[in-house]
Amino acid sequence: NAGVTQTPKFQVLKTGQSMTLQCAQDMNHEYMSWYRQDPGMGLRLIHYSVGAGITDQGEVPNGYNVSRSTTEDFPLRLLSAAPSQTSVYFCASSNIYGYTFGSGTRLTVV
Amino acid sequence: AQTVTQSQPEMSVQEAETVTLSCTYDTSESNYYLFWYKQPPSRQMILVIRQEAYKQQNATENRFSVNFQKAAKSFSLKISDSQLGDTAMYFCAFVNTGTASKLTFGTGTRLQVTL
Repeated sequence: NAGVTQTPKFQVLKTGQSMTLQCAQDMNHEYMSWYRQDPGMGLRLIHYSVGAGITDQGEVPNGYNVSRSTTEDFPLRLLSAAPSQTSVYFCASSNIYGYTFGSGTRLTVV
Repeated sequence: AQTVTQSQPEMSVQEAETVTLSCTYDTSESNYYLFWYKQPPSRQMILVIRQEAYKQQNATENRFSVNFQKAAKSFSLKISDSQLGDTAMYFCAFVNTGTASKLTFGTGTRLQVTL
């Protein structure tokens, strides 16, 4: 019963480095999304996908890229990390019945 | 755009007592879902309860119940017989049924259950 697998759990990057946060789901959900959680701001939507090959921007997309080549995978790419991207990141998959979240990634950019 | 407001950043309740967390939202849509999520120190997002906007009956899950007032756009969570394990951050969230991939969250309420 894997649900949503999100890796890594922790990461430290230097400013300017790039990296990819991985997200995979085994529930055959159509929808997948990425959120960032910052103190006092709740979770904010970065990018989302309504199916393989279809992605769109959320509330805070700048500095992030996504792709959805398969139903199962939805990686989030940081192109050139900045200290403002220090946050906790959550991947989620969903259908009309509800959402399942990954366990989160704590990312620190120094 | 939808907004979700949680006006109580922190709350405290004694074990076995009842506590109510407030949430209001703003939307022009008529079909939507509302959720309460619990986030303990483990960071995991755990669904507490869900309410469909078309249902007039308030949702209940064991010790958790909601007071859904659609006209007032209010969705409060009542926790009865509070337990130490209820200590967590609680988030109210909204999704339009036409955009099931886009949850909008409130800023959260940190609940502390004390002895």
